[in-house]
Amino acid sequence: GAVVSQHPSWVICKSGTSVKIECRSLDFQATTMFWYRQFPKQSLMLMATSNEGSKATYEQGVEKDKFLINHASLTLSTLTVTSAHPEDSSFYICSARDLHEQYFGPGTRLTVT
Amino acid sequence: GQQLNQSPQSMFIQEGEDVSMNCTSSSIFNTWLWYKQDPGEGPVLLIALYKAGELTSNGRLTAQFGITRKDSFLNISASIPSDVGIYFCAGRPIGNEKLTFGTGTRLTIIP
Repeated sequence: GAVVSQHPSWVICKSGTSVKIECRSLDFQATTMFWYRQFPKQSLMLMATSNEGSKATYEQGVEKDKFLINHASLTLSTLTVTSAHPEDSSFYICSARDLHEQYFGPGTRLTVT
Repeated sequence: GQQLNQSPQSMFIQEGEDVSMNCTSSSIFNTWLWYKQDPGEGPVLLIALYKAGELTSNGRLTAQFGITRKDSFLNISASIPSDVGIYFCAGRPIGNEKLTFGTGTRLTIIP
């Protein structure tokens, strides 16, 4: 149980375009989902917390207009990187919380050329 | 954001050896979690701890919730090749749903 999926697992896009990443909790309902960013050889950095049906709460320094988060249902949250630039290239990982704990998706590698 | 102090930063061991790593915080947590991350993958939850002093095992892994609520320890016994990876501790403060992550311990097994 407690499986979280992400799609796509990797994506390459051109500078200036937008990219959407999906996060799904497959076997449980998640009232809260989290989006993290991870740079090589570093720990996870929380970007935002989203609750189903309400606006996401962004961490300090994360641009909400650049990283659009939609938590449309209890099993789906999406992160859209708008007008992507090379510095947005990173490993993006979503996480969903069930009644007990927080489980992570497999991550999405974004490369902006 | 805030990070937990996790040590050691990296470990090079031989197969069959036991491993110990720990996390310390300046503030109190009411939950301690240990995750393992393989290259190119998301973290996988290994052990969750909810009470000060709690000792919990998951196969060859054993973790403890420090009595002061400011630290936690993870031990791996008789290491095997698939134990290679990065181990992260994570703590959840009282009244806050956000996890604070440790800096990670990279485990390498020397042939």
